[in-house]
Amino acid sequence: AQTVTQSQPEMSVQEAETVTLSCTYDTSESNYYLFWYKQPPSRQMILVIRQEAYKQQNATENRFSVNFQKAAKSFSLKISDSQLGDTAMYFCAFMKPYHNNAGNMLTFGGGTRLMVKP
Amino acid sequence: DAGITQSPRHKVTETGTPVTLRCHQTENHRYMYWYRQDPGHGLRLIHYSYGVKDTDKGEVSDGYSVSRSKTEDFLLTLESATSSQTSVYFCAISESGGSYYGYTFGSGTRLTVV
Repeated sequence: AQTVTQSQPEMSVQEAETVTLSCTYDTSESNYYLFWYKQPPSRQMILVIRQEAYKQQNATENRFSVNFQKAAKSFSLKISDSQLGDTAMYFCAFMKPYHNNAGNMLTFGGGTRLMVKP
Repeated sequence: DAGITQSPRHKVTETGTPVTLRCHQTENHRYMYWYRQDPGHGLRLIHYSYGVKDTDKGEVSDGYSVSRSKTEDFLLTLESATSSQTSVYFCAISESGGSYYGYTFGSGTRLTVV
């Protein structure tokens, strides 16, 4: 079974600064996907960024980028130019495609609560 | 809109009573999932469905049952609610078995068992 670990339960950052959220995972699979989801106080789960394991190039989405280290099984999220609207819970998630009948099973880390301070 | 709705959004119930949460999708996706969210645990899979009448257990299935009689509806039932089942419950849908796009989530149901 896959496990996902987020070692930082809470973090804070000043507005306009850069912050990095850590995520490690354990798997014996070679083909998989990794995701970061954002959950603002509204409780909605919002996909932030995704990475395919067979792609060496790190994914980027505007101010969000990842540092994917496959050998180290590490998948950190960097938020540049932090904004007040980035305040949320962030979840790292691992997906093994075609996991038996479950389709694409998502396994989540415990989350990191990020506070952006003005 | 994402095409997935959960009802109710909030519910308070008493210990020992049955509770059913509903997930409805308009996307005609094959796969549907129920997760619970608890502090420090992230989201954990309760049950999932890979088609009408096809369901299976997830990581934390004890005390829960599910049913899927139509593609669009996936019901989660707590047969006899306990305080340990106080949580936020999320439904999610996925189109294919190897989707790079992850899941689409509902807005969640906050359930309090008193």
